[in-house]
Amino acid sequence: GQNIDQPTEMTATEGAIVQINCTYQTSGFNGLFWYQQHAGEAPTFLSYNVLDGLEEKGRFSSFLSRSKGYSYLLLKELQMKDSASYLCAAVDSNYQLIWGAGTKLIIKP
Amino acid sequence: DVKVTQSSRYLVKRTGEKVFLECVQDMDHENMFWYRQDPGLGLRLIYFSYDVKMKEKGDIPEGYSVSREKKERFSLILESASTNQTSMYLCASRGTGDLDTQYFGPGTRLTVL
Repeated sequence: GQNIDQPTEMTATEGAIVQINCTYQTSGFNGLFWYQQHAGEAPTFLSYNVLDGLEEKGRFSSFLSRSKGYSYLLLKELQMKDSASYLCAAVDSNYQLIWGAGTKLIIKP
Repeated sequence: DVKVTQSSRYLVKRTGEKVFLECVQDMDHENMFWYRQDPGLGLRLIYFSYDVKMKEKGDIPEGYSVSREKKERFSLILESASTNQTSMYLCASRGTGDLDTQYFGPGTRLTVL
């Protein structure tokens, strides 16, 4: 079966760094998306990885290891506004998105 | 900027009622999706449409139907609402590329009493 795992909740301190992990098992693989979702709002696109390695985009970076079925989202210099849920979604062989349940990130001052 | 709008942010219906959720996008996207989002579960695909009048079942189509009469509009219909359909419903649209980003609407929180 197809499966995405990510931690349910994480807590971090303002100004710190946090890494949100995501492991996936899919029938075929065509890349992985990360979305951010603030409470009561729509998910918004953060990143897409299809090749192994780290992609940096400002304070946010996303990493992919295809051989390990693993990705992470790295958030640096955390700000209070980064408090949100972070959704991981893998693209299977039919180009359908398989979504994780999301990681709720709580930022404390 | 892509804009995806949904007809209601909050909706309360009675068991057995017919419910219409509307979604409109303004970017001429071919692909549109309906998901439901429940605590502890990932987004689950109900139906999607890749063109006008075309529809495909997603992972959990039971109890739902859809309509796509115009390219910009994708409707989700609950023929006879049940309490287990209480959920957040998210609509999304995407361009022609299979790996294009999906753009989401703000969601409709439906409560069925």
